[in-house]
Amino acid sequence: DAGITQSPRYKITETGRQVTLMCHQTWSHSYMFWYRQDLGHGLRLIYYSAAADITDKGEVPDGYVVSRSKTENFPLTLESATRSQTSVYFCASSLETNTGELFFGEGSRLTVL
Amino acid sequence: AQSVTQLDSQVPVFEEAPVELRCNYSSSVSVYLFWYVQYPNQGLQLLLKYLSGSTLVKGINGFEAEFNKSQTSFHLRKPSVHISDTAEYFCAVRGSPSGNTPLVFGKGTRLSVIA
Repeated sequence: DAGITQSPRYKITETGRQVTLMCHQTWSHSYMFWYRQDLGHGLRLIYYSAAADITDKGEVPDGYVVSRSKTENFPLTLESATRSQTSVYFCASSLETNTGELFFGEGSRLTVL
Repeated sequence: AQSVTQLDSQVPVFEEAPVELRCNYSSSVSVYLFWYVQYPNQGLQLLLKYLSGSTLVKGINGFEAEFNKSQTSFHLRKPSVHISDTAEYFCAVRGSPSGNTPLVFGKGTRLSVIA
């Protein structure tokens, strides 16, 4: 089915482990985004990408790494997970125009013990 | 940098009553404004957006919002809410219409509709 999918939907890991959250979209949207959602903070942008091989930091990039070798995929890696990275992570995509409609995945709930 | 303030973190309201969710943004020469809704255990989806033109914007599910430049506000309203409107609502702003600066989201308002 067309759309934007995230995997895994739920993940429990331990402090210090590497974790990769996957995001795949089938619309060929140029722009992709990673947000984290935390109580009291709303959504905060981690990284975004305007096209393959182009990425930029958002508001809270520390501790995260992204890559975009293909337009349809935008994985987010936590190189050494910390408890403060326990959160719900949302991937989103949009067309290259800036009229603002983001299409969100269903989220990945990550717990770091 | 642009910022968004949602003045109420939680809004309880009885079914069929009207509701207003408030949003203020930091001033800029021009802005694009958005409201998104998040139902439980789902991602966000667009409710409505203001890009230009009429300051009253109508969205899905009977919601509307009014852009007020002098008060830098973009409040969301619905004349009669349903149980199914229970969700979290996010106001968002993009400060520059040129380039593709990412959206900045407010912290959200949780709307609880009481039967």
